[in-house]
Amino acid sequence: QKEVEQDPGPLSVPEGAIVSLNCTYSNSAFQYFMWYRQYSRKGPELLMYTYSSGNKEDGRFTAQVDKSSKYISLFIRDSQPSDSATYLCAMSSISGGYNKLIFGAGTRLAVHP
Amino acid sequence: DTAVSQTPKYLVTQMGNDKSIKCEQNLGHDTMYWYKQDSKKFLKIMFSYNNKELIINETVPNRFSPKSPDKAHLNLHINSLELGDSAVYFCASSQGQGDQPQHFGDGTRLSIL
Repeated sequence: QKEVEQDPGPLSVPEGAIVSLNCTYSNSAFQYFMWYRQYSRKGPELLMYTYSSGNKEDGRFTAQVDKSSKYISLFIRDSQPSDSATYLCAMSSISGGYNKLIFGAGTRLAVHP
Repeated sequence: DTAVSQTPKYLVTQMGNDKSIKCEQNLGHDTMYWYKQDSKKFLKIMFSYNNKELIINETVPNRFSPKSPDKAHLNLHINSLELGDSAVYFCASSQGQGDQPQHFGDGTRLSIL
């Protein structure tokens, strides 16, 4: 079993829809949770960064972390065609004094006009 | 102003050759990373350097040798290239080894013929 599981999609939604992206994980030591967005032929771009459980909102994006269920989500409100990209969840714990990121496989999202 | 830049963007070469990829960051970070993203978009860490010192060395063939001449640069040299080395290689950087998020370059697409 992978440490981080993420449905690769693809997920296709109409413009204006609310998008829900999810990851589950098995390592209870993970403390830091991130969502990256990756456009085709580009590097991952940090979208959201949270520590421990709870919600964090930034514009149209909301990240949720539920450590008891080992489940994280990213919600995108009023989705736009420019949101079409691959979304990668990533998480880490500090082990031996350093921080190693473990990524999910990424979910491909297509928002059509 | 590009924060994390990699050269070259594309690298096409024959099996058995030796090649290098270079990375530079102008964010003032002290930690740099190399990741490999395979054809299924799975992103996996290979190496990490903090203040020019190797701190993460995942199970990577010793044909891969990273070198960090200073905090702002991290290069990757690959000897005797194999077909399975075809992938996108991403450089990233962060401040410190702990809880700070990582920022990625746009990748080097390596194709082995």
